[in-house]
Amino acid sequence: DGGITQSPKYLFRKEGQNVTLSCEQNLNHDAMYWYRQDPGQGLRLIYYSQIVNDFQKGDIAEGYSVSREKKESFPLTVTSAQKNPTAFYLCASSKSGIEETQYFGPGTRLLVL
Amino acid sequence: QQQVKQSPQSLIVQKGGISIINCAYENTAFDYFPWYQQFPGKGPALLIAIRPDVSEKKEGRFTISFNKSAKQFSLHIMDSQPGDSATYFCAASINSGNTPLVFGKGTRLSVIA
Repeated sequence: DGGITQSPKYLFRKEGQNVTLSCEQNLNHDAMYWYRQDPGQGLRLIYYSQIVNDFQKGDIAEGYSVSREKKESFPLTVTSAQKNPTAFYLCASSKSGIEETQYFGPGTRLLVL
Repeated sequence: QQQVKQSPQSLIVQKGGISIINCAYENTAFDYFPWYQQFPGKGPALLIAIRPDVSEKKEGRFTISFNKSAKQFSLHIMDSQPGDSATYFCAASINSGNTPLVFGKGTRLSVIA
């Protein structure tokens, strides 16, 4: 069964804590993306990666970090520097070349305790 | 900053009616315009997409109309059904493949019986 998995579905963060959101894909896609979704704000790009061991900042990268050590995995760390982390986080992937369709995972909802 | 402006923010349509959502953009380098559908608590899924070399694309009850000179595109949902109730996002990107999408802020559609 091909697709994108995100875990956990819900995540709670304490003040000053770093948390990591997992994103895995078995679609053999080269590009992966992280978006943040807030009510009424649409989807805002945090980071994206077009190839292993390379990634670029999106529009709202401050307070977040990523790594891309494997093609299948693109974890997102929400650091303590992100002062307003409560949101719905979406991971997506796309195949390189002509096909631009981005396929999204089911999302992780992050809440601050 | 590249932007895609989407309207209306919310829409209520009677069952069997036509739902129309509009988007406008400024960057003429955009060459791919997808629409995504998102149900509560889920990730967005591609609904239909168009390129600027055609003025209209239809898939079942869903139609994209594209006006290159006006830099506008719209989604029409014919014979709207309660199951169509969801949030719809328009998006745009530059260059085929591996480029982040720029999303509109979304339209929450409610189809009432």
